[in-house]
Amino acid sequence: SQTIHQWPATLVQPVGSPLSLECTVEGTSNPNLYWYRQAAGRGLQLLFYSVGIGQISSEVPQNLSASRPQDRQFILSSKKLLLSDSGFYLCAWSANSNQPQHFGDGTRLSIL
Amino acid sequence: ELKVEQNPLFLSMQEGKNYTIYCNYSTTSDRLYWYRQDPGKSLESLFVLLSNGAVKQEGRLMASLDTKARLSTLHITAAVHDLSATYFCAPQSMGGSEKLVFGKGTKLTVNP
Repeated sequence: SQTIHQWPATLVQPVGSPLSLECTVEGTSNPNLYWYRQAAGRGLQLLFYSVGIGQISSEVPQNLSASRPQDRQFILSSKKLLLSDSGFYLCAWSANSNQPQHFGDGTRLSIL
Repeated sequence: ELKVEQNPLFLSMQEGKNYTIYCNYSTTSDRLYWYRQDPGKSLESLFVLLSNGAVKQEGRLMASLDTKARLSTLHITAAVHDLSATYFCAPQSMGGSEKLVFGKGTKLTVNP
């Protein structure tokens, strides 16, 4: 069966520090991969999605970036975090755009 | 641009009662998902509705889709405390990215 792993589960970072969140999927190949952010008490905002290695689409302009160095690995990065980057970050995968998205456990990011 | 409106945003109900959550969306979509989120947790897929008139049921929850009215409903029958969670609808945009656009969620509290 397929599983999705995200880490770390929680992270506290100072303003201006770099960020790297990692997401990996097991048990499937060539999945679609997604990064979402959920601000406190709000819905999910799609940040990036990828349909293949090296293929990244950005949905919202911001100081975050994403990379997909391997088929089942999706990384969310920032060179300098802002206070507004705080939130709950969720990685998701789907077999294709017509299948449900399955979410990881999320990373709760707090910026001080 | 696809926009989603869920209502109510907050719902407090007694055990044993019935209620309906509504999800309206602004542009054509023929595929819609419902997710559940427990506090501090990730999202769990509940239903995938793939066509006009689609109806899915799982336990005390029943979801339906009317693509002509651009409306989906999530009906709760004889609520129990375990159903307390936040419920999100997410229609899929057509063409282009085919991304999911999430509503703000309905926070359901079922009281004994």
